[in-house]
Amino acid sequence: QQQVKQSPQSLIVQKGGISIINCAYENTAFDYFPWYQQFPGKGPALLIAIRPDVSEKKEGRFTISFNKSAKQFSLHIMDSQPGDSATYFCAASEFWGATNKLIFGTGTLLAVQP
Amino acid sequence: DTAVSQTPKYLVTQMGNDKSIKCEQNLGHDTMYWYKQDSKKFLKIMFSYNNKELIINETVPNRFSPKSPDKAHLNLHINSLELGDSAVYFCASSQDSPTSGQETQYFGPGTRLLVL
Repeated sequence: QQQVKQSPQSLIVQKGGISIINCAYENTAFDYFPWYQQFPGKGPALLIAIRPDVSEKKEGRFTISFNKSAKQFSLHIMDSQPGDSATYFCAASEFWGATNKLIFGTGTLLAVQP
Repeated sequence: DTAVSQTPKYLVTQMGNDKSIKCEQNLGHDTMYWYKQDSKKFLKIMFSYNNKELIINETVPNRFSPKSPDKAHLNLHINSLELGDSAVYFCASSQDSPTSGQETQYFGPGTRLLVL
């Protein structure tokens, strides 16, 4: 079963607009929620992350909103730019032995039109 | 000075062959991972190693055998390749600690495997 559900599958936004991607999880043992950005032909790279003890984290134009009771979190990209066009993955993680086990959402392909 | 590097970048091979993908990280991390990204871009963990010890093995067919000769290297050997093995394989590393909590996973550039 898909432990981390992500929507929408694809998103088209005008330059300067707000991009919103939503994720939901089931496992309450998850204790770390990162977002990764992936450009074509490249590996995913960490964009921003949040722990469940805070409800919001902002870094520049990127904000994570976290609702622990609803087991949902979302990424907001303010003032979206064409350079933000990429695939975005939410993820949830739990500490597993001596490593952390990341479960990824299905990804959202974002296209920002100039 | 690439942090996580993989070779080869592209791999085209016939069904039934055996192939290896190599991964090296120069970040001094203790933990390394292999992920598989399928044609729909779904990213799934396959294995993780911590200090050369296998920690996570996600119900991967035993045709896939990871090997960690040292903390900086994690190789993936695949026997008897099948059409369904065609995907992009990513190596990643992180420095995890129960006291510091979750740390960033740094991904390599990927190896694009095509099985014909």
